Amino acid sequence: DTAVSQTPKYLVTQMGNDKSIKCEQNLGHDTMYWYKQDSKKFLKIMFSYNNKELIINETVPNRFSPKSPDKAHLNLHINSLELGDSAVYFCASSQEGFFSGNTIYFGEGSWLTVV
Amino acid sequence: GENVEQHPSTLSVQEGDSAVIKCTYSDSASNYFPWYKQELGKGPQLIIDIRSNVGEKKDQRIAVTLNKTAKHFSLHITETQPEDSAVYFCAAMGSGGGGNKLTFGTGTQLKVEL
Repeated sequence: DTAVSQTPKYLVTQMGNDKSIKCEQNLGHDTMYWYKQDSKKFLKIMFSYNNKELIINETVPNRFSPKSPDKAHLNLHINSLELGDSAVYFCASSQEGFFSGNTIYFGEGSWLTVV
Repeated sequence: GENVEQHPSTLSVQEGDSAVIKCTYSDSASNYFPWYKQELGKGPQLIIDIRSNVGEKKDQRIAVTLNKTAKHFSLHITETQPEDSAVYFCAAMGSGGGGNKLTFGTGTQLKVEL
């Protein structure tokens, strides 16, 4: 069973379109994240949700809107896609608290290409 | 905010040699330092981590050291094998308070040559 699963794995779309990436974790974690990895492999956090509540929003454009229907799901909606949005988007999850380990588990990534 | 620097950006070693990757961090409040391995086309996978109350941790061929005073930590891989070839990321995390924010280094492309 995949602990953190995200779909689709590959997405090619035209500029201006709206798209969504879905993420689900079956680890029972309270916290979920979206990270963006650019062409230079740099990993940067975009959002963090704890029990469906937004905790971290790292100055991401308003075109990106995360939605967490429950603590096991965190979806990413992107409106009016731009060429610069092309990247790999990773969903991740962790259990809060120092003694719980703080380990963050990543999904396999969603490759978004905007043409 | 936290800033993590990682060196080298690329590292090529012969099979059986050791590989060392070094990172520095800026926030003295950071207390958790994981290392991730990312293979081509896959997500980052945790390989080892260390907390601020420990100076060294070892797991088979992999070891991590932490110097809190100098704010740097290192990954050591001994007896490297071709399957160790991947991109390795160090990271640092603060004390939490809602949403464990992990700041990554820029990655090291490790190539183990036969």
